[in-house]
Amino acid sequence: AQSVAQPEDQVNVAEGNPLTVKCTYSVSGNPYLFWYVQYPNRGLQFLLKYITGDNLVKGSYGFEAEFNKSQTSFHLKKPSALVSDSALYFCAVRDDDYKLSFGAGTTVTVRA
Amino acid sequence: GAVVSQHPSWVICKSGTSVKIECRSLDFQATTMFWYRQFPKQSLMLMATSNEGSKATYEQGVEKDKFLINHASLTLSTLTVTSAHPEDSSFYICSAPLGLAGGLIYEQYFGPGTRLTVT
Repeated sequence: AQSVAQPEDQVNVAEGNPLTVKCTYSVSGNPYLFWYVQYPNRGLQFLLKYITGDNLVKGSYGFEAEFNKSQTSFHLKKPSALVSDSALYFCAVRDDDYKLSFGAGTTVTVRA
Repeated sequence: GAVVSQHPSWVICKSGTSVKIECRSLDFQATTMFWYRQFPKQSLMLMATSNEGSKATYEQGVEKDKFLINHASLTLSTLTVTSAHPEDSSFYICSAPLGLAGGLIYEQYFGPGTRLTVT
């Protein structure tokens, strides 16, 4: 079974500093990995995905993620965080039935 | 981009009553939709896969007679919570995949969610 793990419940950074949200994955075949963001009482917004190709994936709102096969990681990054980036972030992996399995989520707080 | 809507955005109902939640893909067709449940500050838990023209498939532990799913058209799936109880209070989110051609799913588009409170 496919799964992802987000080892940090919370990440706190100052505005303007780099932001990293960690995700590791476990898959039996090719990994199809995704990052989503959720604001309070809202659905999920797609940020980026890795299907194949370049290990560095660029997404929405200045986010990017680096696929690392040897470390089975897919960490989300943003060079300079904004207060408006404060939200709940989910890493997800797609399985063979097109279902998504989500990590537990990481709450990001960016302080002014 | 693709848009998925849900209706209602929030609903309060009394114990024992039923409530229907609609999920619509507004600008694309979706033969498959997914229903999730989310508790406060927790992850999304997949409840079931809604299939247009056929029965939904439920995840282990989800009561199919309690959570009725109907995928009536290529743009509409409904989730009916029957005989609701306070423990059914939750945030329900649907999603629809876009780009199933060739066996690759490019991404899922999520609805804004429905907050259900059972009193």
